[in-house]
Amino acid sequence: DVKVTQSSRYLVKRTGEKVFLECVQDMDHENMFWYRQDPGLGLRLIYFSYDVKMKEKGDIPEGYSVSREKKERFSLILESASTNQTSMYLCASNSSPDRAGELFFGEGSRLTVL
Amino acid sequence: GQNIDQPTEMTATEGAIVQINCTYQTSGFNGLFWYQQHAGEAPTFLSYNVLDGLEEKGRFSSFLSRSKGYSYLLLKELQMKDSASYLCAVMDSNYQLIWGAGTKLIIKP
Repeated sequence: DVKVTQSSRYLVKRTGEKVFLECVQDMDHENMFWYRQDPGLGLRLIYFSYDVKMKEKGDIPEGYSVSREKKERFSLILESASTNQTSMYLCASNSSPDRAGELFFGEGSRLTVL
Repeated sequence: GQNIDQPTEMTATEGAIVQINCTYQTSGFNGLFWYQQHAGEAPTFLSYNVLDGLEEKGRFSSFLSRSKGYSYLLLKELQMKDSASYLCAVMDSNYQLIWGAGTKLIIKP
C-alpha cells in the first residue's frame, strides 16, 4: 500500500514563527502536492511538484514556499506564520498520468497559529 | 469561474440507499473523482468517471452526465462506517483538480 507520511499531526505556532511541514511518500511517485482544507471550502492547492527540484504554484501560494530535494520528500514552509494560515494541511502524491486525479493523501497536519 | 456544488450535509438510515449529487462548471473536463474522508483522517479515492454512465464498485456506484455537468455517488446497504464526508472533484482542461466543499453524510441506526 502507498503510504504518505506527514511529520506532525498537530502543531501550535505563534504569529511570525517559521513553520516546516514535511511529507514523505514511499512509492516512488513523481508527483507531490500540498493542499489546505478549511471548513466549507474545497481543497485548495498551494504548491505541487512533478520532479525533484521542480515546483509549481497552485491556486494559493502566497505566504508559502516548498522544497523538493529528494523524490520522496516534499516540504511546505511558512516563512512567517499568520493567523489566517491556521488550517488543515494535506500532502498528496501520485504517479499515473492516466489517472492523474487519483491522489494518495497523508493524514494531515492541523496547524494553529496564535 | 470554476465551480463544484454538492450538498453540505445529508442524513440517512443504516441499511438504506443514499445518493449524493455533484454539479460542476469547469474549464474543460478530464474526469470526475469521488473521495471519502472520515473525520480526522485522510481523503481516500473511491471512484473515477470520464465517460457518461454508471461505474459500479461493490456497494458504491458513481454516475456521470457530461452534457448536464452532473454526477452522483450512490451508496447502498448503508453501514455506520459510511458516516464520512464525500468529496467531489473535477479535473479541468489543465489537468488541475477542482474540489467541491464536500458532503457530510450522517448515518443513523
